[in-house]
Amino acid sequence: AAGVIQSPRHLIKEKRETATLKCYPIPRHDTVYWYQQGPGQDPQFLISFYEKMQSDKGSIPDRFSAQQFSDYHSELNMSSLELGDSALYFCASSLEGTGRNTEAFFGQGTRLTVV
Amino acid sequence: AQSVSQHNHHVILSEAASLELGCNYSYGGTVNLFWYVQYPGQHLQLLLKYFSGDPLVKGIKGFEAEFIKSKFSFNLRKPSVQWSDTAEYFCAVTKFNKFYFGSGTKLNVKP
Repeated sequence: AAGVIQSPRHLIKEKRETATLKCYPIPRHDTVYWYQQGPGQDPQFLISFYEKMQSDKGSIPDRFSAQQFSDYHSELNMSSLELGDSALYFCASSLEGTGRNTEAFFGQGTRLTVV
Repeated sequence: AQSVSQHNHHVILSEAASLELGCNYSYGGTVNLFWYVQYPGQHLQLLLKYFSGDPLVKGIKGFEAEFIKSKFSFNLRKPSVQWSDTAEYFCAVTKFNKFYFGSGTKLNVKP
């Protein structure tokens, strides 16, 4: 079965550089979530999209932006990278539009290391 | 502040011991409840979920959880753990299209 695909799996960037993380949700899923998990920490919600519109915003720094495209994939753009941005970034997708209870399926994450 | 609390941060058990991990949440109204597991270096995987109905939920790998509405709890249990259960376990609540995670419990099962 198709799962949530994230690319790249690993990324090393220098301070002040930019990074773009990509997330391809499960086909027909209409909602995408982004989470940041620092070393030894629980996942922190960054932002979510429903039907290509931002649906909720969490602790996402102003240096980060995200969008969901017409094909439902999402990109998280991170600028002016800082050492503290080093983390595992998870994307999850779900099907919310049916109004039924649903679960989120997580991708394998992109491990970003800022040096 | 509303939150998801996991009281045990680090649990060490021997194989065949019984496991219970606590999870309490403070969100009112209808919530959906989940337990996710994260094996070392891997992504979050769903263990089990509760939406409605029978408050005792059975998940994969012999795990189960009980939803007690009056206590705002959703504790995870397993009668006999294995070394392969060594992982981090996250309780999560969804409300209004957003997942709220607990801080996680690291389980270390000694062979």
